[in-house]
Amino acid sequence: GESVGLHLPTLSVQEGDNSIINCAYSNSASDYFIWYKQESGKGPQFIIDIRSNMDKRQGQRVTVLLNKTVKHLSLQIAATQPGDSAVYFCAERNYGGSQGNLIFGKGTKLSVKP
Amino acid sequence: AAGVIQSPRHLIKEKRETATLKCYPIPRHDTVYWYQQGPGQDPQFLISFYEKMQSDKGSIPDRFSAQQFSDYHSELNMSSLELGDSALYFCASRPWTSWYTEAFFGQGTRLTVV
Repeated sequence: GESVGLHLPTLSVQEGDNSIINCAYSNSASDYFIWYKQESGKGPQFIIDIRSNMDKRQGQRVTVLLNKTVKHLSLQIAATQPGDSAVYFCAERNYGGSQGNLIFGKGTKLSVKP
Repeated sequence: AAGVIQSPRHLIKEKRETATLKCYPIPRHDTVYWYQQGPGQDPQFLISFYEKMQSDKGSIPDRFSAQQFSDYHSELNMSSLELGDSALYFCASRPWTSWYTEAFFGQGTRLTVV
């Protein structure tokens, strides 16, 4: 079946630097995307979302970019902090076959060095 | 704000035993999803319910069954447990009518089969 994947399994950045986490999706019918943060032993926590009719959305220190032409999604974290260390997942939802369940990509582990 | 509640948080079972995981969605959320997450893996969709009816089915083994009750809480029943069933099991909920909203995840149940 179709799935969402990530280019990099791990990312190590210096505190204060910007982080960019990438995701490639394969289902062109997906119309809603979410980035989740997951800390060890905890449930996924919502960070930011974007609809397919948008190409950029900003939150507090985070920005999500969507490029439908190449089916690419990215999460930018500004001024990365130690508390940002976690695994980040992108997830997609589409009307095609599912009833709203999210399909997750492979996570990227973000490690922030002090 | 109320969150998704899962119980128990930790569960240890022996092979071939049965286990029941419970999920209490956020009030007024009528849609529940179950996910399984192995070590270092992304969450895999198992099954979902809307208004007490199964709405979608993912990679759920035949040994597993689930249901949603009139108060919208859901239970995942797992029988003939295998070592490979050891994982984190997450429940998520959302209001069915809100397509462009994230699924809110619980803290998960860590199942260990020995």
